Amino acid sequence: QKEVEQNSGPLSVPEGAIASLNCTYSDRGSQSFFWYRQYSGKSPELIMFIYSNGDKEDGRFTAQLNKASQYVSLLIRDSQPSDSATYLCAVKGTGGFKTIFGAGTRLFVKA
Amino acid sequence: DAGVTQSPTHLIKTRGQQVTLRCSPKSGHDTVSWYQQALGQGPQFIFQYYEEEERQRGNFPDRFSGHQFPNYSSELNVNALLLGDSALYLCASSSPGLVGETQYFGPGTRLLVL
Repeated sequence: QKEVEQNSGPLSVPEGAIASLNCTYSDRGSQSFFWYRQYSGKSPELIMFIYSNGDKEDGRFTAQLNKASQYVSLLIRDSQPSDSATYLCAVKGTGGFKTIFGAGTRLFVKA
Repeated sequence: DAGVTQSPTHLIKTRGQQVTLRCSPKSGHDTVSWYQQALGQGPQFIFQYYEEEERQRGNFPDRFSGHQFPNYSSELNVNALLLGDSALYLCASSSPGLVGETQYFGPGTRLLVL
């Protein structure tokens, strides 16, 4: 079992739709959770972090965390073609300093 | 406010050679982490430096070593390069004072080993 798992996609949504990206993690004691966006050939760019159960909203983005189910999600409302990128889920585990990344989900937003 | 910077941007080496990559953290950050990202994969943690000490290491061989300087900048050294070391090398900076120790990435160094 991978420590952080994401559906590799690609996930294709029409412009203006809601894109839903999902991530599961194996370390039940994990405390901090991050979503990064990575455009092709570029470095990851932080979108949001969350560390409490529930929802956290920032503009068109909502992160959802369910520690009991070891599940993190990212919703992108009113998706735009410029949102087309790979979305990386990252988890900071217990007892250490490293952040573990999933392999990423490729998102395509069709105009 | 300068973000994380890395040099060089691109590098081509041959098998068996050695390489040094450099990173300057974002202003106000004192912690530097290095990651290797192969094509189509997520970043893999190599190690983290804080107060000039390596404080955690990922599953990478001893050929990968690093250093942090008093100004918090850092170097990643890779010896005896293998073809499989070809990847994007990312530096991320953070600070223990930040909520969740959120990391911010530099633009990366793309290494090609021939």
